[in-house]
Amino acid sequence: AQKVTQAQTEISVVEKEDVTLDCVYETRDTTYYLFWYKQPPSGELVFLIRRNSFDEQNEISGRYSWNFQKSTSSFNFTITASQVVDSAVYFCALMPNTGNQFYFGTGTSLTVIP
Amino acid sequence: DTAVSQTPKYLVTQMGNDKSIKCEQNLGHDTMYWYKQDSKKFLKIMFSYNNKELIINETVPNRFSPKSPDKAHLNLHINSLELGDSAVYFCASSLWGSGIPNTGELFFGEGSRLTVL
Repeated sequence: AQKVTQAQTEISVVEKEDVTLDCVYETRDTTYYLFWYKQPPSGELVFLIRRNSFDEQNEISGRYSWNFQKSTSSFNFTITASQVVDSAVYFCALMPNTGNQFYFGTGTSLTVIP
Repeated sequence: DTAVSQTPKYLVTQMGNDKSIKCEQNLGHDTMYWYKQDSKKFLKIMFSYNNKELIINETVPNRFSPKSPDKAHLNLHINSLELGDSAVYFCASSLWGSGIPNTGELFFGEGSRLTVL
């Protein structure tokens, strides 16, 4: 079965706090890709990052960082020193190599309070 | 230049009507998709086309009919609209199936918000 779980439905933090969004996935494929997308209040879906299953290196991009751990099937996303502009719904997604279908999590709605 | 564009962005219509949403991508991608996002923000795939051929057809009422006249266009026609069809419909494209090594990243349009009254 292919599945992505984002257990946190809503998170609120005060500006400048760090926040981690959790993502746990299930797949039997040995090759797969993991993604994070951001959906700000304006509604568009913005690609943030892609990871393949063979690359467990963590990645940092400015205030954003991602922790991929195959042992726990998790691909967590941390925002450091959060800002109001980070307020959005964040989706984690899985794409197994056997097909072209994306499996999205149910999203985590992040509100950053000024 | 907009990579994946959908029209219209907003659509308000009465139950029972028929409506279409158009999608075009200028990225040269071979695969296009329609996703439905409900009021709880859940993203569900509806259809996928690779080079004008239907490759994913999820459990969707047959009132929904996709049409791909060429690989750059994927339109969605909905017959006999129902209240439950109210949602945001996203078109997307990717390089999947192009023969070009890629990781299948989806490029989304801005979404079309359909409201059925």
